Amino acid sequence: EAGVTQSPTHLIKTRGQQATLRCSPISGHTSVYWYQQALGLGLQFLLWYDEGEERNRGNFPPRFSGRQFPNYSSELNVNALELEDSALYLCASSSGKGQSNQPQHFGDGTRLSIL
Amino acid sequence: AQSVTQLDSQVPVFEEAPVELRCNYSSSVSVYLFWYVQYPNQGLQLLLKYLSGSTLVKGINGFEAEFNKSQTSFHLRKPSVHISDTAEYFCAVRERGGYTASKLTFGTGTRLQVTL
Repeated sequence: EAGVTQSPTHLIKTRGQQATLRCSPISGHTSVYWYQQALGLGLQFLLWYDEGEERNRGNFPPRFSGRQFPNYSSELNVNALELEDSALYLCASSSGKGQSNQPQHFGDGTRLSIL
Repeated sequence: AQSVTQLDSQVPVFEEAPVELRCNYSSSVSVYLFWYVQYPNQGLQLLLKYLSGSTLVKGINGFEAEFNKSQTSFHLRKPSVHISDTAEYFCAVRERGGYTASKLTFGTGTRLQVTL
C-alpha cells in the first residue's frame, strides 16, 4: 500500500512569489493535514481538510490556503512568499473522518526555500 | 489547549545502552498520546500510540512508552539502542473528541545520537 506522497520534493521561490504544494493521502483516508516544520519553531499545525471541506486552521495568516479535491488529494498554496516561509511542509492523512484516535501518517515533505 | 514539553533537546548514548526520552504534557481535557520518529530528510513515522487501556505501550523497532496520568508524562524507552536509531523523536498529543480536536500538538523534539 502506498503511503502519503508529496510533490515536489524541493521548491525554490523568491520573495513575493506564490508556491503550490501537493499531497496524495493513503488510499481510503479522507482527512488530510498540513504542518509546517521551520527551523527553531518546531512542528506547527496549518490546516485540516476532510471530505473536501476545511475543518480546522492553525495560527497562520490567510495567505496560507489550500483545498481538497474529490479524490481526497490536497494542495497547499502560499501567496506573497516571505523569507520566514522557508520550511519543510509535511502532509499527513488519517481515516475515520478525523477522529482523534486515528493516527496521522506523514509524507516525506516538501522543502520550500525562499531566496 | 495542550502543550508538550520534551526536556532534552539532545541525548547522546552508546550503542547497546538503554535510553529514555522524556515527554510531559499539559492539557485541560483528556488526550491521546503519540511518539513519532524523523530520520534525516524524511517525514515522520509513527512509533507508538496510547489511546486507552494498559499504560505500557509497545511500538515498532523495540520501543515502548509508559503513560503516567498523575505525572502527565509519556516517556519513551528502549532497552538497547542501535546506531540506526539515531534520529529526531517527537512526542505529540491530540485532544480526545470530535471534529475540532483533530490537530496534533508536538513537542520540540529530542535528537537521539547513538555512537559506538
